[in-house]
Amino acid sequence: GQSLEQPSEVTAVEGAIVQINCTYQTSGFYGLSWYQQHDGGAPTFLSYNALDGLEETGRFSSFLSRSDSYGYLLLQELQMKDSASYFCASRGLGSARQLTFGSGTQLTVLP
Amino acid sequence: DTAVSQTPKYLVTQMGNDKSIKCEQNLGHDTMYWYKQDSKKFLKIMFSYNNKELIINETVPNRFSPKSPDKAHLNLHINSLELGDSAVYFCASSQGTGDLPLHFGNGTRLTVT
Repeated sequence: GQSLEQPSEVTAVEGAIVQINCTYQTSGFYGLSWYQQHDGGAPTFLSYNALDGLEETGRFSSFLSRSDSYGYLLLQELQMKDSASYFCASRGLGSARQLTFGSGTQLTVLP
Repeated sequence: DTAVSQTPKYLVTQMGNDKSIKCEQNLGHDTMYWYKQDSKKFLKIMFSYNNKELIINETVPNRFSPKSPDKAHLNLHINSLELGDSAVYFCASSQGTGDLPLHFGNGTRLTVT
């Protein structure tokens, strides 16, 4: 099976940098992805790491270390609109390779 | 154009009733999903269909029955609704099984009273 652990809450101020960690235990592994969900909204895809290292997309970066079963999402130059829940997710073995989500991290950006 | 659309957005009903949620995607994707998000925001997969064929059926009560009339549509019918069914239900799609990213609909908030 799959299990992913993330902090439940993170708070930071506008303009700051915040890192949201994710550790996982999986019976198989096909990479780590990140989704953002604003209150009342749909989860939206942010990034995907199939291999070790850093992937950068604008103010957001995501990192993966498969040897440590660990990844993180880095948000730079925080803006108020970044206040949302952030989910890490991974696929496992099996023909369906369904996406399993972590429990989510609620990020609050303060002025 | 909305990529993944589901209706209704809100559904309030009484215990014991039967209700349906509809989902349509116009992305040309082969795979569609139903996820349930509980009050703690935990997202859990319920079902997945690939080209109208059921490929994932997680441990879900058989009161829940998905139906895929074609690969662009995946509906969810729920019989004999219970209080514990209250949640937000998300439809999603992807190009193929195991492909990323998933594209989610805006969710249906189901409240059972």
